[in-house]
Amino acid sequence: TQLLEQSPQFLSIQEGENLTVYCNSSSVFSSLQWYRQEPGEGPVLLVTVVTGGEVKKLKRLTFQFGDARKDSSLHITAAQTGDTGLYLCAGADYGQNFVFGPGTRLSVLP
Amino acid sequence: KAGVTQTPRYLIKTRGQQVTLSCSPISGHRSVSWYQQTPGQGLQFLFEYFSETQRNKGNFPGRFSGRQFSNSRSEMNVSTLELGDSALYLCASSLGTGISNQPQHFGDGTRLSIL
Repeated sequence: TQLLEQSPQFLSIQEGENLTVYCNSSSVFSSLQWYRQEPGEGPVLLVTVVTGGEVKKLKRLTFQFGDARKDSSLHITAAQTGDTGLYLCAGADYGQNFVFGPGTRLSVLP
Repeated sequence: KAGVTQTPRYLIKTRGQQVTLSCSPISGHRSVSWYQQTPGQGLQFLFEYFSETQRNKGNFPGRFSGRQFSNSRSEMNVSTLELGDSALYLCASSLGTGISNQPQHFGDGTRLSIL
């Protein structure tokens, strides 16, 4: 059974600060997805990374997939209060089994 | 374009009862996946349906079952409810099967509480 770990579990920062959250596993994944979930709503897909070493940018968000396809990071530049939410990573192995990490709960304070 | 619709939004049941949850995918999407989200276990994959066939299944007991209709709408059933089944049940739809590489669009979930 693959396990995805995310760190930190909780993060509280001031608006304008930068932050990085991490998603790690001992297993290799064929692809990895990042989602953001706000209270009372379902997760919303932010990005899918497929190639080892891949870097994708989405406005102030930068996603990286590790060379060995076992880990990923999400960096947010100049965080805004609208970035507040639960950030989830989800990985798929080559057998199409899909697993979510426990999430990082981010609070961006004004 | 309407998103994924889950009904009902909230449900209260007692131990031993059964429950059926409904999910209407985005128009044109043929794959529907179900997840259970709890504070302790996080988001866990239940099963995926594509063209009325179960394509993939998570590690849940047989009390959890589902089906998909010809219009891609899906239902999930939980029988003999236990206190531990209290959770947010999320449905996600995508265009094709193979959830790993398909963008999944989630509904807002059904909050199930077992008394």
